[in-house]
Amino acid sequence: KQEVTQIPAALSVPEGENLVLNCSFTDSAIYNLQWFRQDPGKGLTSLLLIQSSQREQTSGRLNASLDKSSGRSTLYIAASQPGDSATYLCAVNSQDSGGSNYKLTFGKGTLLTVNP
Amino acid sequence: DGGITQSPKYLFRKEGQNVTLSCEQNLNHDAMYWYRQDPGQGLRLIYYSQIVNDFQKGDIAEGYSVSREKKESFPLTVTSAQKNPTAFYLCASGLVRTEQFFGPGTRLTVL
Repeated sequence: KQEVTQIPAALSVPEGENLVLNCSFTDSAIYNLQWFRQDPGKGLTSLLLIQSSQREQTSGRLNASLDKSSGRSTLYIAASQPGDSATYLCAVNSQDSGGSNYKLTFGKGTLLTVNP
Repeated sequence: DGGITQSPKYLFRKEGQNVTLSCEQNLNHDAMYWYRQDPGQGLRLIYYSQIVNDFQKGDIAEGYSVSREKKESFPLTVTSAQKNPTAFYLCASGLVRTEQFFGPGTRLTVL
Protein backbone atom coordinates (compact mmCIF):
# COMPACT_ATOMS: atom_id res chain seq x y z
CA LYS A 1 0.00 0.00 0.00
CA GLN A 2 1.38 3.40 -1.02
CA GLU A 3 2.17 5.77 1.84
CA VAL A 4 3.24 9.40 1.49
CA THR A 5 5.07 11.37 4.18
CA GLN A 6 5.76 15.10 4.23
CA ILE A 7 8.43 16.74 6.34
CA PRO A 8 8.32 19.12 8.10
CA ALA A 9 4.69 19.28 9.25
CA ALA A 10 5.05 23.03 9.77
CA LEU A 11 7.61 25.63 8.76
CA SER A 12 7.94 29.32 9.60
CA VAL A 13 10.42 31.50 7.70
CA PRO A 14 11.14 35.20 7.22
CA GLU A 15 10.20 36.82 3.94
CA GLY A 16 12.79 36.46 1.19
CA GLU A 17 14.17 33.13 2.34
CA ASN A 18 14.56 30.19 -0.02
CA LEU A 19 13.02 26.99 1.34
CA VAL A 20 12.58 23.30 0.62
CA LEU A 21 9.60 21.07 1.38
CA ASN A 22 10.09 17.33 1.38
CA CYS A 23 7.88 14.45 0.28
CA SER A 24 8.67 10.73 0.43
CA PHE A 25 6.69 7.73 -0.80
CA THR A 26 7.03 4.01 -0.13
CA ASP A 27 6.29 2.46 -3.55
CA SER A 28 8.44 3.77 -6.40
CA ALA A 29 6.06 2.41 -9.08
CA ILE A 30 4.34 5.75 -9.57
CA TYR A 31 2.85 7.25 -12.71
CA ASN A 32 3.32 10.87 -11.69
CA LEU A 33 3.56 13.17 -8.66
CA GLN A 34 1.62 16.35 -8.06
CA TRP A 35 2.22 19.28 -5.69
CA PHE A 36 -0.77 21.30 -4.48
CA ARG A 37 -1.37 24.41 -2.44
CA GLN A 38 -4.33 24.76 -0.08
CA ASP A 39 -5.45 27.98 1.59
CA PRO A 40 -7.57 27.71 4.78
CA GLY A 41 -11.11 26.54 4.04
CA LYS A 42 -10.46 26.31 0.31
CA GLY A 43 -9.97 23.64 -2.31
CA LEU A 44 -6.60 22.53 -3.68
CA THR A 45 -4.71 24.42 -6.36
CA SER A 46 -2.39 22.37 -8.55
CA LEU A 47 1.13 23.80 -8.60
CA LEU A 48 3.27 21.30 -10.48
CA LEU A 49 2.90 17.87 -12.06
CA ILE A 50 5.98 15.69 -12.59
CA GLN A 51 5.74 12.60 -14.75
CA SER A 52 7.64 9.52 -13.56
CA SER A 53 10.11 9.90 -16.45
CA GLN A 54 10.96 13.49 -15.49
CA ARG A 55 13.49 14.76 -12.94
CA GLU A 56 12.07 18.22 -12.33
CA GLN A 57 9.48 20.82 -13.25
CA THR A 58 9.60 24.58 -12.81
CA SER A 59 6.91 27.25 -12.60
CA GLY A 60 7.97 30.75 -11.68
CA ARG A 61 9.59 30.69 -8.24
CA LEU A 62 8.68 27.03 -7.74
CA ASN A 63 10.83 24.06 -8.67
CA ALA A 64 9.87 20.46 -7.96
CA SER A 65 12.26 17.55 -8.29
CA LEU A 66 11.59 13.82 -8.39
CA ASP A 67 13.90 10.91 -7.55
CA LYS A 68 11.63 7.95 -8.19
CA SER A 69 14.17 5.28 -7.30
CA SER A 70 14.66 6.67 -3.80
CA GLY A 71 10.99 7.59 -3.36
CA ARG A 72 11.56 11.32 -2.84
CA SER A 73 10.39 14.66 -4.16
CA THR A 74 11.21 18.18 -3.08
CA LEU A 75 9.44 21.48 -3.67
CA TYR A 76 11.81 24.44 -3.72
CA ILE A 77 10.34 27.92 -3.23
CA ALA A 78 12.65 30.81 -4.05
CA ALA A 79 12.45 34.24 -2.46
CA SER A 80 9.43 33.42 -0.31
CA GLN A 81 6.65 35.98 0.15
CA PRO A 82 3.88 36.32 2.77
CA GLY A 83 1.40 35.36 0.03
CA ASP A 84 3.08 31.94 -0.15
CA SER A 85 1.68 31.13 3.31
CA ALA A 86 -0.52 28.05 2.91
CA THR A 87 -0.51 24.29 3.30
CA TYR A 88 1.45 22.44 0.63
CA LEU A 89 0.38 18.91 -0.24
CA CYS A 90 2.22 16.21 -2.16
CA ALA A 91 0.32 13.40 -3.92
CA VAL A 92 1.55 10.40 -5.89
CA ASN A 93 -0.43 8.75 -8.67
CA SER A 94 -0.09 4.97 -8.67
CA GLN A 95 -2.14 1.87 -9.37
CA ASP A 96 -4.64 0.74 -6.81
CA SER A 97 -4.49 -2.69 -5.16
CA GLY A 98 -6.55 -4.20 -7.98
CA GLY A 99 -4.01 -3.03 -10.53
CA SER A 100 -6.56 -1.70 -13.01
CA ASN A 101 -7.09 1.89 -11.87
CA TYR A 102 -4.89 4.81 -10.86
CA LYS A 103 -5.45 6.97 -7.83
CA LEU A 104 -3.73 9.75 -5.86
CA THR A 105 -2.32 9.10 -2.41
CA PHE A 106 -1.77 12.26 -0.38
CA GLY A 107 0.63 13.27 2.34
CA LYS A 108 -0.68 15.23 5.32
CA GLY A 109 0.91 18.45 4.12
CA THR A 110 3.37 21.10 5.29
CA LEU A 111 1.91 24.27 6.81
CA LEU A 112 4.09 27.15 5.62
CA THR A 113 4.09 30.58 7.24
CA VAL A 114 6.13 33.35 5.66
CA ASN A 115 6.58 36.28 8.05
CA PRO A 116 6.91 39.84 6.68
CA ASP B 1 -15.90 29.77 -17.28
CA GLY B 2 -14.38 26.33 -17.19
CA GLY B 3 -13.98 24.61 -13.89
CA ILE B 4 -15.34 22.43 -11.14
CA THR B 5 -18.22 23.58 -8.99
CA GLN B 6 -19.41 22.11 -5.71
CA SER B 7 -22.61 22.93 -3.88
CA PRO B 8 -23.56 23.79 -1.31
CA LYS B 9 -20.55 25.43 0.31
CA TYR B 10 -21.87 24.61 3.80
CA LEU B 11 -24.26 21.78 4.67
CA PHE B 12 -25.81 20.75 7.95
CA ARG B 13 -27.14 17.25 8.58
CA LYS B 14 -29.35 15.95 11.34
CA GLU B 15 -28.86 12.51 12.81
CA GLY B 16 -30.31 9.77 10.60
CA GLN B 17 -30.58 11.99 7.55
CA ASN B 18 -29.13 11.37 4.09
CA VAL B 19 -27.60 14.35 2.30
CA THR B 20 -26.28 14.76 -1.23
CA LEU B 21 -23.30 16.87 -2.24
CA SER B 22 -23.16 18.14 -5.79
CA CYS B 23 -20.09 18.17 -8.06
CA GLU B 24 -20.18 19.41 -11.66
CA GLN B 25 -17.37 19.96 -14.16
CA ASN B 26 -17.30 21.44 -17.65
CA LEU B 27 -13.70 20.51 -18.43
CA ASN B 28 -14.65 17.41 -20.45
CA HIS B 29 -12.72 15.24 -17.99
CA ASP B 30 -13.39 11.51 -17.99
CA ALA B 31 -12.41 10.89 -14.36
CA MET B 32 -14.00 12.33 -11.24
CA TYR B 33 -13.12 11.79 -7.59
CA TRP B 34 -14.47 12.43 -4.10
CA TYR B 35 -12.15 12.99 -1.15
CA ARG B 36 -12.71 13.62 2.52
CA GLN B 37 -10.40 15.89 4.55
CA ASP B 38 -10.23 15.89 8.34
CA PRO B 39 -8.04 18.17 10.50
CA GLY B 40 -4.52 16.80 10.80
CA GLN B 41 -5.08 14.15 8.16
CA GLY B 42 -4.36 14.00 4.48
CA LEU B 43 -7.08 13.68 1.89
CA ARG B 44 -8.68 10.24 1.78
CA LEU B 45 -10.36 8.86 -1.33
CA ILE B 46 -14.03 7.95 -0.97
CA TYR B 47 -15.11 7.00 -4.51
CA TYR B 48 -13.88 7.57 -8.03
CA SER B 49 -15.18 7.14 -11.55
CA GLN B 50 -13.18 6.94 -14.74
CA ILE B 51 -16.11 6.56 -17.13
CA VAL B 52 -19.84 7.21 -17.16
CA ASN B 53 -21.96 4.55 -15.44
CA ASP B 54 -18.94 3.05 -13.70
CA PHE B 55 -17.30 3.84 -10.35
CA GLN B 56 -15.01 2.24 -7.81
CA LYS B 57 -14.72 2.35 -4.04
CA GLY B 58 -11.82 4.23 -2.58
CA ASP B 59 -10.24 3.77 0.82
CA ILE B 60 -13.20 4.92 2.95
CA ALA B 61 -16.37 4.16 0.96
CA GLU B 62 -18.48 2.81 3.83
CA GLY B 63 -21.50 5.01 4.51
CA TYR B 64 -21.27 6.82 1.17
CA SER B 65 -22.81 6.27 -2.25
CA VAL B 66 -22.29 7.84 -5.68
CA SER B 67 -23.70 7.81 -9.20
CA ARG B 68 -22.21 8.78 -12.56
CA GLU B 69 -25.07 9.12 -15.04
CA LYS B 70 -23.50 12.03 -16.89
CA LYS B 71 -19.88 12.84 -17.69
CA GLU B 72 -20.23 16.28 -16.11
CA SER B 73 -21.74 15.22 -12.79
CA PHE B 74 -20.66 13.02 -9.88
CA PRO B 75 -22.92 13.51 -6.82
CA LEU B 76 -22.00 12.05 -3.45
CA THR B 77 -24.62 10.93 -0.93
CA VAL B 78 -23.64 10.75 2.71
CA THR B 79 -25.97 8.19 4.24
CA SER B 80 -27.08 7.72 7.83
CA ALA B 81 -24.73 4.72 7.95
CA GLN B 82 -21.75 7.12 7.97
CA LYS B 83 -21.26 7.57 11.72
CA ASN B 84 -18.82 10.46 11.65
CA PRO B 85 -19.64 12.53 8.57
CA THR B 86 -18.47 15.95 9.81
CA ALA B 87 -15.62 16.86 7.44
CA PHE B 88 -14.56 18.92 4.44
CA TYR B 89 -15.48 17.17 1.18
CA LEU B 90 -13.53 17.83 -2.01
CA CYS B 91 -14.39 16.83 -5.54
CA ALA B 92 -11.77 16.57 -8.28
CA SER B 93 -11.66 15.75 -11.96
CA GLY B 94 -9.03 15.00 -14.57
CA LEU B 95 -8.16 12.90 -17.57
CA VAL B 96 -7.24 9.38 -16.47
CA ARG B 97 -3.71 9.22 -15.01
CA THR B 98 -3.10 12.95 -15.50
CA GLU B 99 -3.29 16.09 -13.39
CA GLN B 100 -6.27 16.38 -11.05
CA PHE B 101 -8.13 19.64 -10.52
CA PHE B 102 -10.17 20.37 -7.44
CA GLY B 103 -13.40 22.15 -6.64
CA PRO B 104 -13.83 24.63 -3.76
CA GLY B 105 -15.20 22.03 -1.32
CA THR B 106 -18.29 21.48 0.82
CA ARG B 107 -18.10 21.62 4.60
CA LEU B 108 -20.56 19.18 6.17
CA THR B 109 -21.51 19.47 9.82
CA VAL B 110 -23.69 17.07 11.79
CA LEU B 111 -26.04 18.79 14.23
